[in-house]
Amino acid sequence: QQQVKQSPQSLIVQKGGISIINCAYENTAFDYFPWYQQFPGKGPALLIAIRPDVSEKKEGRFTISFNKSAKQFSLHIMDSQPGDSATYFCAASKTGNTGKLIFGQGTTLQVKP
Amino acid sequence: DAGITQSPRHKVTETGTPVTLRCHQTENHRYMYWYRQDPGHGLRLIHYSYGVKDTDKGEVSDGYSVSRSKTEDFLLTLESATSSQTSVYFCAISESPNRGKNTEAFFGQGTRLTVV
Repeated sequence: QQQVKQSPQSLIVQKGGISIINCAYENTAFDYFPWYQQFPGKGPALLIAIRPDVSEKKEGRFTISFNKSAKQFSLHIMDSQPGDSATYFCAASKTGNTGKLIFGQGTTLQVKP
Repeated sequence: DAGITQSPRHKVTETGTPVTLRCHQTENHRYMYWYRQDPGHGLRLIHYSYGVKDTDKGEVSDGYSVSRSKTEDFLLTLESATSSQTSVYFCAISESPNRGKNTEAFFGQGTRLTVV
């Protein structure tokens, strides 16, 4: 079963706009929620991560919003740029679970100039 | 990129043949992982290792085996390749995810495997 569900599958945004990608999880034991960014031909790279003790984390133009009661978290990319065009994956993990990550299905973002 | 090298980067093989993919790290990280990436599925864990000769199964381990004889090398073997194993395979490493906190997982560049 898909323990982490991600939407939308693809997203087109104009330069300067806000990109929003959503994820929902099922396992309440998850306590680490990273977002990975992947460019074509490359491996995923950690973008930003959050733990459930905070509701929001911001790093530059990237913000994670976390809703523990709804078991949902989202990535917001402010002032989206063409260089942000990539595939984004949300993931979840449990502390002490050997670092195994459960990934969402991925979202392909295209930022048009 | 973190010091992770996957080889080969591309491979085409025939159904029924054995295939071994190699992951080599220079970071001396304890944990190593093999994931496969398929459209609509994201990345799914195949096997992982928490030390030399210490390995365990992930969520999609059927048809795959792994070995880790040295800290720096983690091998993934497809015993008898099938078309359903056509995928992009990623190796990842992590320092110490069990120290009461999660640490970043670093991914290699991937191996594109086609089984014909």
